[in-house]
Amino acid sequence: GQSLEQPSEVTAVEGAIVQINCTYQTSGFYGLSWYQQHDGGAPTFLSYNALDGLEETGRFSSFLSRSDSYGYLLLQELQMKDSASYFCAVRTDNYGQNFVFGPGTRLSVLP
Amino acid sequence: DSGVTQTPKHLITATGQRVTLRCSPRSGDLSVYWYQQSLDQGLQFLIQYYNGEERAKGNILERFSAQQFPDLHSELNLSSLELGDSALYFCASSAIAATGGLNEQFFGPGTRLTVL
Repeated sequence: GQSLEQPSEVTAVEGAIVQINCTYQTSGFYGLSWYQQHDGGAPTFLSYNALDGLEETGRFSSFLSRSDSYGYLLLQELQMKDSASYFCAVRTDNYGQNFVFGPGTRLSVLP
Repeated sequence: DSGVTQTPKHLITATGQRVTLRCSPRSGDLSVYWYQQSLDQGLQFLIQYYNGEERAKGNILERFSAQQFPDLHSELNLSSLELGDSALYFCASSAIAATGGLNEQFFGPGTRLTVL
């Protein structure tokens, strides 16, 4: 089967740094994506890692370790607008783009 | 605004009925994806089309079908609807179909389906 695990909720204060972990067990692995979704909104793409290591995009960074079947999303200098749900998703095939999504982590940023 | 449009925004129907959801991808994007998001199942990939052809299939029920037309818009058909089909249905599009690339998908605003 396919399974991804993420913490269900994370709380942090403005200006802090938070790390959202994702572990996966899938039949195939071709990359790990992260998406942000505000309440009532659509998911928006944050990052994609196909190779091990850290990718940085502004305040957000994403890390992947394929040997550990593990990745994380790092959010720095948290802002109130970062309060949202964050999903990791594994691309499981190489021909198409079949992504299996994790259950999501609800991040609450407090003033 | 992602550039992906979906209609209708809301749909209320009865069990046993059939509905069609429509999606127009971003200009120039050849790939279209359909997802179902419900409270108990999370975000589930249903199917991907690339330039009119089915490219990947996820947990799509046999009662559901999709197609992508020559103008690249896509439709998701849901038939013999059940209460459990009530969910938010997202369409997404991307420029990349095969290996490599950023794998960034742009999601539409979704269609909220309520089956009574």
